Amino acid sequence: QQPVQSPQAVILREGEDAVINCSSSKALYSVHWYRQKHGEAPVFLMILLKGGEQKGHDKISASFNEKKQQSSLYLTASQLSYSGTYFCGTENGQNFVFGPGTRLSVLP
Amino acid sequence: ETGVTQTPRHLVMGMTNKKSLKCEQHLGHNAMYWYKQSAKKPLELMFVYNFKEQTENNSVPSRFSPECPNSSHLFLHLHTLQPEDSALYLCASSQGGRHSGANVLTFGAGSRLTVL
Repeated sequence: QQPVQSPQAVILREGEDAVINCSSSKALYSVHWYRQKHGEAPVFLMILLKGGEQKGHDKISASFNEKKQQSSLYLTASQLSYSGTYFCGTENGQNFVFGPGTRLSVLP
Repeated sequence: ETGVTQTPRHLVMGMTNKKSLKCEQHLGHNAMYWYKQSAKKPLELMFVYNFKEQTENNSVPSRFSPECPNSSHLFLHLHTLQPEDSALYLCASSQGGRHSGANVLTFGAGSRLTVL
């Protein structure tokens, strides 16, 4: 079953923070985060494999709450280059599926 | 070349045409995937190949026919498509094994297909 992402879209000014959430109705074994810029391939950002795991890369980090069956992606001090659609991918032990995506627009 | 390369990038075809999409990966991966990306829809898995063997077919209509001659190349043969098949078709590769959350996917830029 497909995970749910929220919000569907968000518009930010450069330097502002954003949080994108991904939740599932089933128990999760892992969560992936990918970003796709317009006309380009989705690019892997990070994978979280353990409950409670947090990861970060530059000013983008993520957490994984296994009990709540959800993950959050945190974008701090957003840059213009952060614009794109963010997808979470989840594995529930039976299959791996992507969420519908969150469109992020960072304005100058 | 590095990464995952898809050709053509754009394709327009009639419903009676036969065409093929090509994907090539230069990463030494053993698994390759076809995904369909439609407007306002999530990425839909179509096929998975592991070590040239098809391991998943996500109930895809037979008008889509995949072919994987080796671990580096993947084709999607198209025939008698419908207008609703218009979408971005993405190829991806990973180290291999079961299509699980442990396998990080490297995507190509996609082939934009328009069916008239």
